[in-house]
Amino acid sequence: DAGITQSPRHKVTETGTPVTLRCHQTENHRYMYWYRQDPGHGLRLIHYSYGVKDTDKGEVSDGYSVSRSKTEDFLLTLESATSSQTSVYFCAIRGRGASNYGYTFGSGTRLTVV
Amino acid sequence: AQRVTQPEKLLSVFKGAPVELKCNYSYSGSPELFWYVQYSRQRLQLLLRHISRESIKGFTADLNKGETSFHLKKPFAQEEDSAMYYCALASGGSNYKLTFGKGTLLTVNP
Repeated sequence: DAGITQSPRHKVTETGTPVTLRCHQTENHRYMYWYRQDPGHGLRLIHYSYGVKDTDKGEVSDGYSVSRSKTEDFLLTLESATSSQTSVYFCAIRGRGASNYGYTFGSGTRLTVV
Repeated sequence: AQRVTQPEKLLSVFKGAPVELKCNYSYSGSPELFWYVQYSRQRLQLLLRHISRESIKGFTADLNKGETSFHLKKPFAQEEDSAMYYCALASGGSNYKLTFGKGTLLTVNP
């Protein structure tokens, strides 16, 4: 494994509550990403980060915010959870250099909003 | 805008049969393409990247710029190949990110 962990692995929350998912890496990689995976949609980028305090929106960023105050942690917050945000959330990292093409993924967080 | 299309949601073959998972892309620059595999409820794993032209688990993929395709092939499917397969396209530059297709679920029957 590339030293990337996500927490929690599973979470059930109520509509309207805020939720924060954590992605932690031990590889000192610059780039980190949050995707959501839904049947029929594949993986869609929510937000990504290219350095500490440097973040940008992906294609499905509405209702989500992120923070990256240190290299190793990338937090995804659902400001007010809705049922449409029930999904599996994957974090990914990308390193520098020719040997680090593509991404390495975390194990995912299965979020259910009831 | 870049786009990845995997036309088949589901693909079912018998063990020992050839398999081809299709991927087409749309991108104005020089493409950097990947195949990822996800076994049941596990994390996504990098299977192939076009730049390395390698063969992993018997799978190969060739980039065809004329047809804008990056199809994944294996001559003899095995039951353990049953999984979800995603094709992905990288945008370069300082804001590097991957765009994924919607995936193809491959089932290899005994």
